[in-house]
Amino acid sequence: GAGVSQSPSNKVTEKGKDVELRCDPISGHTALYWYRQRLGQGLEFLIYFQGNSAPDKSGLPSDRFSAERTGESVSTLTIQRTQQEDSAVYLCASSALSWRDAGGEEAFFGQGTRLTVV
Amino acid sequence: TQLLEQSPQFLSIQEGENLTVYCNSSSVFSSLQWYRQEPGEGPVLLVTVVTGGEVKKLKRLTFQFGDARKDSSLHITAAQPGDTGLYLCAGAVPGTYKYIFGTGTRLKVLA
Repeated sequence: GAGVSQSPSNKVTEKGKDVELRCDPISGHTALYWYRQRLGQGLEFLIYFQGNSAPDKSGLPSDRFSAERTGESVSTLTIQRTQQEDSAVYLCASSALSWRDAGGEEAFFGQGTRLTVV
Repeated sequence: TQLLEQSPQFLSIQEGENLTVYCNSSSVFSSLQWYRQEPGEGPVLLVTVVTGGEVKKLKRLTFQFGDARKDSSLHITAAQPGDTGLYLCAGAVPGTYKYIFGTGTRLKVLA
């Protein structure tokens, strides 16, 4: 596609329910990142996928959070048993090369999914 | 744990004024990027700096990477209302594929 696409754009869920967020990266981009942004704050790293390598999950805040990506295509971020503190905008980004290898390849961000847990 | 602190956190200035935003850490980064984010949108890359001491200019914006690659600054000359937004720095953690984002500086330029 023309850009990174995330769905849904907004999600309101009840505390304790599971949610699944989707990210469609730019075609051909091997690297895919998930970040969380709380209101008015910077971005918190969650997880990184690079091709078929093992993902870097070091930023996932708890075992309620998980993410999958098949090859270089769509990724889903799943939050189980949602809590109110999970309320945030979840941003996905993709880049053609890993930022490390390219010394700073541009990452293209989606518009995010605004998650509200009530 | 790498942390990037940005200052100031909020800045409201008049059109035409100059300003500097700082991004500081006690950790070394292999490269550093600056992004601008507008409400309801994802961040958009402004610049990448890779070499310690590097200075890059983008029209009225000047970016500098510290000699020790631990800090960076963004200077805007003659700010315009269109510069309004959230400015984020992001550092590449050496030896990883991870980018750590700063706490953000929210800039408002009044006409």
